[in-house]
Amino acid sequence: AQSVTQLGSHVSVSEGALVLLRCNYSSSVPPYLFWYVQYPNQGLQLLLKYTSAATLVKGINGFEAEFKKSETSFHLTKPSAHMSDAAEYFCAVRSFTDKLIFGTGTRLQVFP
Amino acid sequence: NAGVTQTPKFRVLKTGQSMTLLCAQDMNHEYMYWYRQDPGMGLRLIHYSVGEGTTAKGEVPDGYNVSRLKKQNFLLGLESAAPSQTSVYFCASGNLNLGLAGVGELFFGEGSRLTVL
Repeated sequence: AQSVTQLGSHVSVSEGALVLLRCNYSSSVPPYLFWYVQYPNQGLQLLLKYTSAATLVKGINGFEAEFKKSETSFHLTKPSAHMSDAAEYFCAVRSFTDKLIFGTGTRLQVFP
Repeated sequence: NAGVTQTPKFRVLKTGQSMTLLCAQDMNHEYMYWYRQDPGMGLRLIHYSVGEGTTAKGEVPDGYNVSRLKKQNFLLGLESAAPSQTSVYFCASGNLNLGLAGVGELFFGEGSRLTVL
């Protein structure tokens, strides 16, 4: 079965610092991977997705993620955190039956 | 453009009461999903539908029923609510498999917060 594991339920960074949110996947076939963001009291919105076209994927709001098959990872990064990046971030994998399977989420706090 | 709309946004029930959550999408998507979100557990799939008139069980279907009588609507029902069903419920729609066109995405509603006393 396909799954994703997010390491670290909470991550805190200072404004301007590097953001690194970790996601590892498990899949017997090349996966399709997603990062979603959830701002307080809102639904989820897509940040970026990996569909095997390129290993480095750029998303909205300056985020990007790199697919590394050797490490089964799809970590999300942003060079410089902004206060508005404070939110919960979810990694997800598309299942064989066209469902999204989500990780448990990582809450990002940004301090001034 | 409304996207995915959920009603109601908030509801408080007593144990044993029933209720229905309504999800409506205006993007002509075939697939619709109901997830629940609980602290530390991420989003877990309750039921989903691959088209009008079809439904299927997800990861945590017990205590819930669904119906997809119209393509644009997906209803989630609780026949006899229990405190364990206190959660935030999210509806999503989308076409993840676009065939030769590639991989799509899911679009989410803003959530329905349900409290069962």
